[in-house]
Order: sequence, then C-alpha cells, then structure tokens
Amino acid sequence: QVTLKESGPALVKSTQTLTLTCSFSGFSLSSRELCVSWIRQPPGKALEWLARIHWDDRKYYSTSLKTRLYISRDTSENQVVLTMTDMDPLDTATYYCARVTIDGTTYVDTWGQGILVTVSS
Amino acid sequence: SFELTQVPAVSVALGQTVKITCQGDILRSFYASWYQQQPGQAPILVMYAGNYRPSGIPDRFSGSYSGNTASLTITGAQAEDEADYFCHSPDNSRNQVFGGGTKLTVL
Repeated sequence: QVTLKESGPALVKSTQTLTLTCSFSGFSLSSRELCVSWIRQPPGKALEWLARIHWDDRKYYSTSLKTRLYISRDTSENQVVLTMTDMDPLDTATYYCARVTIDGTTYVDTWGQGILVTVSS
Repeated sequence: SFELTQVPAVSVALGQTVKITCQGDILRSFYASWYQQQPGQAPILVMYAGNYRPSGIPDRFSGSYSGNTASLTITGAQAEDEADYFCHSPDNSRNQVFGGGTKLTVL
C-alpha cells in the first residue's frame, strides 16, 4: 500500500523559511518511473504544483516560485523535504506531497493527506 | 507558461450525463489526468493517459480528447460525484500544470 504523509509547522511567520517533510512508504524513489511532487492549495482555490524530485536526484520547480524553493530527498529514510523561503500570508495553503508516475505520461497517482500551513503577518 | 482552462462550475441532474472540459494548447502534446476532490479531503486520481481509470473508480467515469480539449464525462451522475474536479498535465519544460477546477453540483 502506497502512503505519503506530510509533516511540519502549522504556523509560520512572514519572512520565515518553511520546511516540510514528506514521509512515504510502499514504493521506492529509486524507481525510474516514480517521483515525488509537492503541490499546494490555498483555501477555496485551485491546486498549484511547486516542485518534483526524481529517482536520479533531478529537480524541477515552478517557474514562478523557483527562487524560493528547494527540494531534496533522503532515499534511505524514504523522505522528501521541501523548503520555501521568505514566507508570506499569501502562501497560506494546504501543502500536499504526492507520488507521480512518469511512464509515457505524467500523473499524480497517490496524494498525502495534506498539511495546512498558515502564515501570519 | 502553459495554462489549463476549466469552467468554474457545472451542474447535472441525478442520473444524467455531464462533461467537464479542460482546454489548453499543451494538451495537443500531452495527456491530461483528472482528479476528484471532496470537501476537506485530498484529491484522488480518477482518469489518466486519456481514458484509463485507476482501480476502484467506477466505469461511469470516462475520458476523451478533441484538439486542445480534454474532457471527463460522468455517465449517470450520482450524488457522491458532487465534488471539485481538476485537470492536470505536464508541459514542455517537465513542469506540472493544474487547471483552475470545476465545481460539479448534482441536482
């Protein structure tokens, strides 16, 4: 059974750096067709893709946020970490980590439960 | 950057058929996938690679394409299908893009 779970602070202050950890089980990030993405959703709004990391440590970032994001992995611990700098109240959202399959097409096949992060001014 | 456009809201009578669309030039090159999100819950995958349903997704859900538009069709909509639906696609830069979402109401 594939599971992912996000952990991190529920509340951060403006200008602080957010660090979120995704702990997963049921698959290996060393598989060529599997990746982990971070996706967020402000309250009542659409999903927004943030970043993705591949089996060979390739990293991809949202064009609009790439200067503030960093994604990394700990393969031995089955964890993926996202850091986001210079947090703003507009970054208040539920942050999801998710498994992505890339096998000729790209799709998110499993989502974590999400973690609500509120940014206070 | 590439965009995927969805109609914000659609409604369907119980038991009838509804088509939810997703429009974007990137869909001429890449398949869309579709996600259902119930209030307060994480999204779940309901369609990928055009017209493939993950196990556990009812066969009343189907996918189709025409030009730059992907569609998710629910044939015989049920009350439990009332939810938000998001389309998704990769782009040429290997980024991922989501549509703005469609709120489906089952009357």
